[in-house]
This record gives sequence, C-alpha cells and structure tokens, in this order.
Amino acid sequence: DGGITQSPKYLFRKEGQNVTLSCEQNLNHDAMYWYRQDPGQGLRLIYYSQIVNDFQKGDIAEGYSVSREKKESFPLTVTSAQKNPTAFYLCASARGARAGELFFGEGSRLTVL
Amino acid sequence: GESVGLHLPTLSVQEGDNSIINCAYSNSASDYFIWYKQESGKGPQFIIDIRSNMDKRQGQRVTVLLNKTVKHLSLQIAATQPGDSAVYFCAENPPIQGAQKLVFGQGTRLTINP
Repeated sequence: DGGITQSPKYLFRKEGQNVTLSCEQNLNHDAMYWYRQDPGQGLRLIYYSQIVNDFQKGDIAEGYSVSREKKESFPLTVTSAQKNPTAFYLCASARGARAGELFFGEGSRLTVL
Repeated sequence: GESVGLHLPTLSVQEGDNSIINCAYSNSASDYFIWYKQESGKGPQFIIDIRSNMDKRQGQRVTVLLNKTVKHLSLQIAATQPGDSAVYFCAENPPIQGAQKLVFGQGTRLTINP
C-alpha cells in the first residue's frame, strides 16, 4: 500500500543531543513537508521541499535541518539549537506545487528529558 | 471559532445529531481549503476540500461551506457517530508563487456523546 512512514513513533532525547526523524513515502510525490504540532495548537511548517536536492525554510525553521537526496526521503534533524524541541512532528507529501491535499504520516513524538 | 493559547475550542454533540464546526481563515486571496480530522496520537486525515470558485461541496455525511465575503469556512457532519470524535482542522492555501504551503487553524475538538 502507498503511504508515508515516519519513524520512530516515540523518541526521547537528552538536552544537547541532535536527533533525526525519518520520513519515507512511496506515493511518488514531488513535494514533502515537515510540520510541528504542540498541544492544543495547529500545525506549523518547519521545512518543505518541492523537488529533490532543493528545500526551503518554513515558518519555524530555526534549530532544524533537512535534506532531500532522494525523492522518497525527507529526514528532519532536530539540533541542540532548538530551544523547545519537545513536540509532535508530522511529515506530509503532495503530488506537486499547488496539487491539492497533503498526505500525512502518523507522526513522531519527541520528548527532551 | 479561534482561541489563543493551549485551549482548543470544543464542541460536544449527541450521537446521531448534526454538528457544525466553524473556521475563520486569514488570507482573502487563499484559493483552496481543506478540512482534516486528527485522532489522538495520529496524523491528520483528509476529509473534504473546496476551491474558492465554489461555496459548497458535499461528501459522504460531510458538507463544507465557504463564505469568502467574511472569510469563513464551516464543516457540517450529519448523523454523528462515536468515530467522529476527533480534532478537526481547517487549512487554507494562500497563493504563494511556486509553492503549496497550507496554513492550519488551531483546531476544534469534537466529542460525540453516546
């Protein structure tokens, strides 16, 4: 079945450590996105990529980094520079620019101890 | 409606009743709108979408209404079921050149009472 797979589902990190969240899609979508969700709030855009080897900052990119070396993969690294990294992270994909709905993964919950 | 901080707007309805969830969007130039449903601990799921050249669209048990004059979007769910309990988000797609960047509302928590 086609879809978006995020891993790990739960992750614990000590302060000062970088962590990388995986996002893989087999939908053959060009565009991929990372959103952050905090309790009781909507989704905020971290980074997005419309094509391989290209990506742009979203609204809250500070303290995060991404890469897009393959069409299927868009990993997100939460660096130690991110002041408040504990959150629910959601990866999404879309067929292309202005192509309609986003398809979401099941999310990764990061907790900083 | 919208609210500030960590308190989601909430709506409780009896099973079998109809529910209406409202959303105010921000950009008058947005040309595409989506409603998503998010169950606890999961990613959002697409419910229904509507383009700005329409004012109503119907799906199975759901209807989306768009009022561009007052920048208002609503989701009507008919004959609610326990499985409809979730947080519902509206999202708008501002016409940013060359990109699709959905802007999400804060969400409304819908609870279906048996």
